[in-house]
Amino acid sequence: NAGVTQTPKFQVLKTGQSMTLQCAQDMNHNSMYWYRQDPGMGLRLIYYSASEGTTDKGEVPNGYNVSRLNKREFSLRLESAAPSQTSVYFCASSLRQGTGEKLLFGSGTQLSVL
Amino acid sequence: GIQVEQSPPDLILQEGANSTLRCNFSDSVNNLQWFHQNPWGQLINLFYIPSGTKQNGRLSATTVATERYSLLYISSSQTTDSGVYFCAALYAGKSTFGDGTTLTVKP
Repeated sequence: NAGVTQTPKFQVLKTGQSMTLQCAQDMNHNSMYWYRQDPGMGLRLIYYSASEGTTDKGEVPNGYNVSRLNKREFSLRLESAAPSQTSVYFCASSLRQGTGEKLLFGSGTQLSVL
Repeated sequence: GIQVEQSPPDLILQEGANSTLRCNFSDSVNNLQWFHQNPWGQLINLFYIPSGTKQNGRLSATTVATERYSLLYISSSQTTDSGVYFCAALYAGKSTFGDGTTLTVKP
């Protein structure tokens, strides 16, 4: 099915552990994004990639790294997880940055850091 | 960055009622979108609406860019409309989401 696919859907980590969240889209979109959503709040942008080979910081990048592996895939890595990173993480993509392009989301990853 | 404020924060309706959700933004935007997050957490893009009016079934949206606000109208609400509605301003690769309006539609 066309869309944005995220894995895993759920993850529990201990403080200090590392993990990578995977995201892939099959819509030939140029731009991809990682957001986090904390309870009762809107989404905050962590990192984005306007096109293959480029990445830029969003609103809350500290504690995260990203890799735009190719046009389809954009991964988010937590090198040393902290309880403050407990959140729901969403990957999104759009055909390109800027006007006229709808943002489409994956189904999310619920991450708990103990 | 751009500030986005949504109102009301919570809204409870009986099935069949109409509602209006508001989104104010602090600066000019050329990419304003509305999303619905259902009770299972899935985010659905409802509208890309930087200006003017669009309609999709029982939902419609109007953005008055010169006055920096957008409205989302839900007519003849159904229980499946329950969830959180977000507006978001996207600009220069970044984005700002409002805190959302939580809508509960009772049967």
